[in-house]
Amino acid sequence: DAGVIQSPRHEVTEMGQEVTLRCKPISGHNSLFWYRQTMMRGLELLIYFNNNVPIDDSGMPEDRFSAKMPNASFSTLKIQPSEPRDSAVYFCASTRGAGGPGTDTQYFGPGTRLTVL
Amino acid sequence: SQQGEEDPQALSIQEGENATMNCSYKTSINNLQWYRQNSGRGLVHLILIRSNEREKHSGRLRVTLDTSKKSSSLLITASRAADTASYFCATDDPGTYKYIFGTGTRLKVLA
Repeated sequence: DAGVIQSPRHEVTEMGQEVTLRCKPISGHNSLFWYRQTMMRGLELLIYFNNNVPIDDSGMPEDRFSAKMPNASFSTLKIQPSEPRDSAVYFCASTRGAGGPGTDTQYFGPGTRLTVL
Repeated sequence: SQQGEEDPQALSIQEGENATMNCSYKTSINNLQWYRQNSGRGLVHLILIRSNEREKHSGRLRVTLDTSKKSSSLLITASRAADTASYFCATDDPGTYKYIFGTGTRLKVLA
């Protein structure tokens, strides 16, 4: 299995531009998570999906952030418009979701390093 | 807010020594997990310990859990330079599929 795939690995953009991050979870996994990691705030959960349905988006910082999961094998996190304070590493993770809440190992992708100038 | 807080924030030891890092959390949990993150990489799962377990081993790793103190420790024995990484604890948010990660301990093992 290829693991969780994220693209792009690096993104440099200018303030005000739209940014789209992509994630392909491990095949057969039912839950998908988007995290943001910064030195100041550590690893923050932004949103998670279960069976393609957004369950909890309370971690999404503001309306400029949106996430979708149109099918079981693809998810996007979009920032529009982007700001310098959005600079961070964004991780996608998936879990099998078969053992019930709180029982699963999370498998992380390699992350997307976003720099907003 | 962070559920887990790791201690120490940073740790530097010589190869062959043991490394111990601690995690404290705030609310009741069903399980606690430890993850490792190498520089520039995603997190990798190390071990899961359930709330009814007190100790668990995996190779050179030993994890303990004290639910009365809401704390866990990760011990890496006979450390190697390759163990240099950040280590995070993660606790489940009961009833949900969420995990809440701590602030991490940066471990440096000197050859």
